[in-house]
Amino acid sequence: GAVVSQHPSRVICKSGTSVKIECRSLDFQATTMFWYRQFPKKSLMLMATSNEGSKATYEQGVEKDKFLINHASLTLSTLTVTSAHPEDSSFYICSARFQGANQPQHFGDGTRLSIL
Amino acid sequence: QQQVKQSPQSLIVQKGGISIINCAYENTAFDYFPWYQQFPGKGPALLIAIRPDVSEKKEGRFTISFNKSAKQFSLHIMDSQPGDSATYFCAARRRGAQKLVFGQGTRLTINP
Repeated sequence: GAVVSQHPSRVICKSGTSVKIECRSLDFQATTMFWYRQFPKKSLMLMATSNEGSKATYEQGVEKDKFLINHASLTLSTLTVTSAHPEDSSFYICSARFQGANQPQHFGDGTRLSIL
Repeated sequence: QQQVKQSPQSLIVQKGGISIINCAYENTAFDYFPWYQQFPGKGPALLIAIRPDVSEKKEGRFTISFNKSAKQFSLHIMDSQPGDSATYFCAARRRGAQKLVFGQGTRLTINP
């Protein structure tokens, strides 16, 4: 069964609104969660790495003020797309890694964000 | 800079055949190599992973072959089925690092 739950699976909203996406690790504690963006027929692009209790580490070129990441607990991380515009429309995927060395990374089922 | 190069970009195989997807890397600090399967509209699912201390790992119809000296690894899908049609990503992670580096992906189609 799924070990990472992502919600919502799809969201459509108007330009200028903010959208929050939740990522939960099920039945395990994830000290590290990751947020990706995926364009059609393309690979996964890492946006940021989120460690519980500390500030997220953003990849080069990702706007920190546009994509707010919070990892307040060992089972929940959120991505908020602020003042969303049509160019922010994409497939956003979170993943979580089990606590401890040599652990695999599991992905949620993604959120299809459409900004009108 | 593409740290993990994946080929082919797309692949068509007949049902029952063997599907082979290849990846190559440059960074010798990579020590964990997973393969993910992704269906349309879904997140990637971990299929199988290997570390450089072994040359091959098999799980059911899926096998990873690893060539440390050539810095290459490949995924073999035996007895390919239409349900295997998906996009496959190889990835690599440096020793002690948190994040994965992904290949470009291979869109696999199994014809019935």
